[in-house]
Amino acid sequence: EAEVAQSPRYKITEKSQAVAFWCDPISGHATLYWYRQILGQGPELLVQFQDESVVDDSQLPKDRFSAERLKGVDSTLKIQPAELGDSAMYLCASSLTGGQPQHFGDGTRLSIL
Amino acid sequence: KNEVEQSPQNLTAQEGEFITINCSYSVGISALHWLQQHPGGGIVSLFMLSSGKKKHGRLIATINIQEKHSSLHITASHPRDSAVYICAVSSETSGSRLTFGEGTQLTVNP
Repeated sequence: EAEVAQSPRYKITEKSQAVAFWCDPISGHATLYWYRQILGQGPELLVQFQDESVVDDSQLPKDRFSAERLKGVDSTLKIQPAELGDSAMYLCASSLTGGQPQHFGDGTRLSIL
Repeated sequence: KNEVEQSPQNLTAQEGEFITINCSYSVGISALHWLQQHPGGGIVSLFMLSSGKKKHGRLIATINIQEKHSSLHITASHPRDSAVYICAVSSETSGSRLTFGEGTQLTVNP
């Protein structure tokens, strides 16, 4: 089991609904990443936090996606409203600081019906 | 053209064979990562390197900065090595942001 905790492991929901993912990084890790991985492709960075601050959200579709890490520890990624094309694996990773090896969670597999 | 290209896309081997997966990149990098992803989805970091060669058990990773190329080798392959192997780079200009290749699906048959 991964040291970075993610929940839920699986989520099935209908389009137009709201969906949320949670990530608890390794204790003491200041940097947290959310990635999206479409089947058959490599992960794509959605957002990177340094403590509670966003340092890179250039690839985050901000019209429907939001992410927060209010106390600089755990983080939530939300999609509202979900679209069919959002079906993917959502991975969370953390590192001690930026540039250090990243430790990944087991991911949340999202299916939009 | 992707910044990170891997080959082959799919690889099937017999148990015991020596395996090589290649990664080419087109940008200046600060580090290159090799990652392993099992069917359940979780990703494990295997190596992070910026020069030379690293070895861990049956796995060896090499990088040639001048040629912008890295290889991952698996000696004495085993069915439990079956997974997707992903190459990722952090470029000199992107900080810690990783750019990923599309992965190599390795299947090792008994």
